[in-house]
Amino acid sequence: EAQVTQNPRYLITVTGKKLTVTCSQNMNHEYMSWYRQDPGLGLRQIYYSMNVEVTDKGDVPEGYKVSRKEKRNFPLILESPSPNQTSLYFCASSLSEWLAPFEQYFGPGTRLTVT
Amino acid sequence: RKEVEQDPGPFNVPEGATVAFNCTYSNSASQSFFWYRQDCRKEPKLLMSVYSSGNEDGRFTAQLNRASQYISLLIRDSKLSDSATYLCVVTYNQGGKLIFGQGTELSVKP
Repeated sequence: EAQVTQNPRYLITVTGKKLTVTCSQNMNHEYMSWYRQDPGLGLRQIYYSMNVEVTDKGDVPEGYKVSRKEKRNFPLILESPSPNQTSLYFCASSLSEWLAPFEQYFGPGTRLTVT
Repeated sequence: RKEVEQDPGPFNVPEGATVAFNCTYSNSASQSFFWYRQDCRKEPKLLMSVYSSGNEDGRFTAQLNRASQYISLLIRDSKLSDSATYLCVVTYNQGGKLIFGQGTELSVKP
C-alpha cells in the first residue's frame, strides 16, 4: 500500500530534550516536506527537500533540522524543543513536475507536546 | 497581509445546498493551485487541482482567476459527508515552497 508513515504518532516531552520524528514514504517520491499545524494559523511549511541531499527552508524553520540521506526518509529533528513547538506535525511527499511539487501525500500526523 | 487568505467560516449549510469558497493569493508568481480537504485534525487529502480553464469533478467545481488572483471551489448538492475543512494551496514553479490558506470550515446539517 502506498503510504507515508510517521513515528511517533504522539509524543510528550520536556523542554531541551532532543527528539526526532521519523517520516518514510514508499512511493519513490522525489519531494518531501514537513509542516506544522496550529489553531488559527493553518499549515505552515517547516522544511522541504526536492531530492536526496537537497533541503531548503520553508516559512518556519527556526528550531528544526532535517536531513535527506535516502530518498524514502526525511526525519525532523528538534535539537532543543521548547513549548512553542507544541503542535501537530505532518510529513508529506510528492512527485515533482518542472522542479515543483505536485499532489502532496500526507502522513497521519504527529502530535507533539513540549512541557 | 497573508500570502494566501481564506474565509475561515464556519459555513453552516443544509443538505442539498450549494456553497462556494474563495481563496485569494498575493504573489502573482504563483503557478499551481490545489484544494485539499481535511477532516477533524486528520491528514489533508487532495480534493482537486485548479486549472486556468476551470475543472469539474462531480459535484465539485474549481476555478482560477489570475487577473484577480483568486481561486474558488463550488460544491453543489452538499452532503453531510462534505463537512470538513477545505484548504487552498499555492505553489510556485521551480521551487518547493507550498503556501496553505488557513482553511475554511464547512458544516453540512440535515
